[in-house]
Amino acid sequence: SQQGEEDPQALSIQEGENATMNCSYKTSINNLQWYRQNSGRGLVHLILIRSNEREKHSGRLRVTLDTSKKSSSLLITASRAADTASYFCATGKTGANNLFFGTGTRLTVIP
Amino acid sequence: ETGVTQTPRHLVMGMTNKKSLKCEQHLGHNAMYWYKQSAKKPLELMFVYNFKEQTENNSVPSRFSPECPNSSHLFLHLHTLQPEDSALYLCASSQGEYAFFGQGTRLTVV
Repeated sequence: SQQGEEDPQALSIQEGENATMNCSYKTSINNLQWYRQNSGRGLVHLILIRSNEREKHSGRLRVTLDTSKKSSSLLITASRAADTASYFCATGKTGANNLFFGTGTRLTVIP
Repeated sequence: ETGVTQTPRHLVMGMTNKKSLKCEQHLGHNAMYWYKQSAKKPLELMFVYNFKEQTENNSVPSRFSPECPNSSHLFLHLHTLQPEDSALYLCASSQGEYAFFGQGTRLTVV
C-alpha cells in the first residue's frame, strides 16, 4: 500500500526524555510529513521533509529521511507532558491531494 | 484553531436517519477533503475536491454523498448508514503540500 506505517504503535516515556518514532513506506515520494493529533481532535501539521533532504529541524523536532530504506524518523527532544498525542507520518506525491497516513504512534509523556 | 471548522462536533444517528456534516475553511484554499478515522485503522481519504470539482472518490459507498457548493464549504450527506460507519470524520483543506484539518465530527450510528 502507499500509506506510511509508524513504529512503535505506542510509546511511553518520562518527561525530559527524548522520543523517537519511525515511519516506513513502500512507494516513491516527493515528500514525507509528520502530523500530530490530540485525542479525538484534528491533525496538525508539524514538519515536511522533501525527498532530496536528509534531515530537518523545527524547534524540538528533528526529522530524518532515508529514501534508500524508505524510512523516516521523528525525534522529539526534552519531551513535555503536553507532547502526549498521536503522531502520524504521511507520504505525499503531488501536493496534499494524495496524502497517505498510517495508524500512528501513540506517545504518552509521564510528568 | 486551524481555520477549518467542522459542525457538529458530535452526532448520533439511527440507521434510517439522514444527516449532514459541514466543513468551512477561511484560509482561501482551493482543495478540500473528507477523511474517515476509525479505531486502529489508517486515516482513510474519502473524497477530494479541487476548485469545487470532485477529483477523487476512493470507492466510498453511495450512502456517503459529498457536496462542495464553493471553495470554502464542504458537506458530507449521510443516509442509511451502518454501525461500522461510526468513526471520526475529518475535513481538511490545502493550498500546497500539506493539509489543515478541522477538529472532526464524532459520528455514532445506532
